[in-house]
Amino acid sequence: DGGITQSPKYLFRKEGQNVTLSCEQNLNHDAMYWYRQDPGQGLRLIYYSQIVNDFQKGDIAEGYSVSREKKESFPLTVTSAQKNPTAFYLCASRERGGTDTQYFGPGTRLTVL
Amino acid sequence: AQSVSQHNHHVILSEAASLELGCNYSYGGTVNLFWYVQYPGQHLQLLLKYFSGDPLVKGIKGFEAEFIKSKFSFNLRKPSVQWSDTAEYFCAVNAGRNNDMRFGAGTRLTVKP
Repeated sequence: DGGITQSPKYLFRKEGQNVTLSCEQNLNHDAMYWYRQDPGQGLRLIYYSQIVNDFQKGDIAEGYSVSREKKESFPLTVTSAQKNPTAFYLCASRERGGTDTQYFGPGTRLTVL
Repeated sequence: AQSVSQHNHHVILSEAASLELGCNYSYGGTVNLFWYVQYPGQHLQLLLKYFSGDPLVKGIKGFEAEFIKSKFSFNLRKPSVQWSDTAEYFCAVNAGRNNDMRFGAGTRLTVKP
């Protein structure tokens, strides 16, 4: 069953703690993305990676970090430097080629207490 | 920087009413255009996309969208909505060499039975 998985679905952390969100895909896609979804603001790009061992900042990268050591995995760390980390986080991947279509995981809702 | 505007934040319709959701973007070059839908509790799913050719694009579940280049618009339409169309709809634009996507703020559609 191919797709994108994100775990866990709900995550709670205390303020000041770093937390890592998982994103795994078995679609053999090269590019992967992290978005943050807030009510009334749509999806905002945090980081993206076009290929293994390479990634670029998106529009709201401050307070976040990523790694891309494997094609299948693109974990996102929300650090204590992120001022307002409570949000819904979506991971996506994009197939190689001309369609540019992104496919999304189910998301992780992070609540920082 | 490219941006995407969705003018309606919340639309409420009765079943069988016609739907049109507005989407405008600000980018002068070649663009790829998408509509995604997020049903309550579900993944973000691709509804339809435009890359080239016929500016009237048909998607799943009876949705269609028309690309009007001169107006920088890609409005989503459905002639007769159903209760099951209740969801949040996002317009997205992909342009530029980095292939990063820009999303609108989303339009929440509520269809009353």
